Amino acid sequence: QKEVEQNSGPLSVPEGAIASLNCTYSDRGSQSFFWYRQYSGKSPELIMSIYSNGDKEDGRFTAQLNKASQYVSLLIRDSQPSDSATYLCAVKRDNAGNMLTFGGGTRLMVKP
Amino acid sequence: DTGVSQNPRHKITKRGQNVTFRCDPISEHNRLYWYRQTLGQGPEFLTYFQNEAQLEKSRLLSDRFSAERPKGSFSTLEIQRTEQGDSAMYLCASSFGALEQYFGPGTRLTVT
Repeated sequence: QKEVEQNSGPLSVPEGAIASLNCTYSDRGSQSFFWYRQYSGKSPELIMSIYSNGDKEDGRFTAQLNKASQYVSLLIRDSQPSDSATYLCAVKRDNAGNMLTFGGGTRLMVKP
Repeated sequence: DTGVSQNPRHKITKRGQNVTFRCDPISEHNRLYWYRQTLGQGPEFLTYFQNEAQLEKSRLLSDRFSAERPKGSFSTLEIQRTEQGDSAMYLCASSFGALEQYFGPGTRLTVT
């Protein structure tokens, strides 16, 4: 079992719809959770961080964390073609050298 | 505030040669990280520094890989006797303490 699992996709949504991206993790000691966006050929760009159970909203993005279920998700409202990218979920144990453990990413395609 | 920079952006080398990559972190960030990313995968942690101290290096892929951060500012990652399997994107990230990590543009290595 991978430490951080994501559906590789592609997840295809129409422009203006809500895109829902999911991530599960196996290490119950994980304490910090991040979503990065990566365009093809580029490096990861941090879009959200979440540290406690519940929802965290930033503009069109909402991160949701459920530590009991070991599940973190990212919702993108009013999806735009420019949101088409790979979304990487990363988790961190705060006593493990600050190392981020990444999932393999979900490719999102937003169709005009 | 300038972002993380990495040089070179692309490197093509022949098998058996040594290569060195440089990373300049965001100013005032005291932690610096190296990751490797292969096609279709999430980044994989290699090593990290807090100021000039290398606090985690057990994840370096082999003894052919080494990293330095001599004055607590920029860092170098060296790969000796390169192999074709070393072809990947090498990513550097930095953070202030245990806060969010921000990635540079990466160095794409191709070993022929």
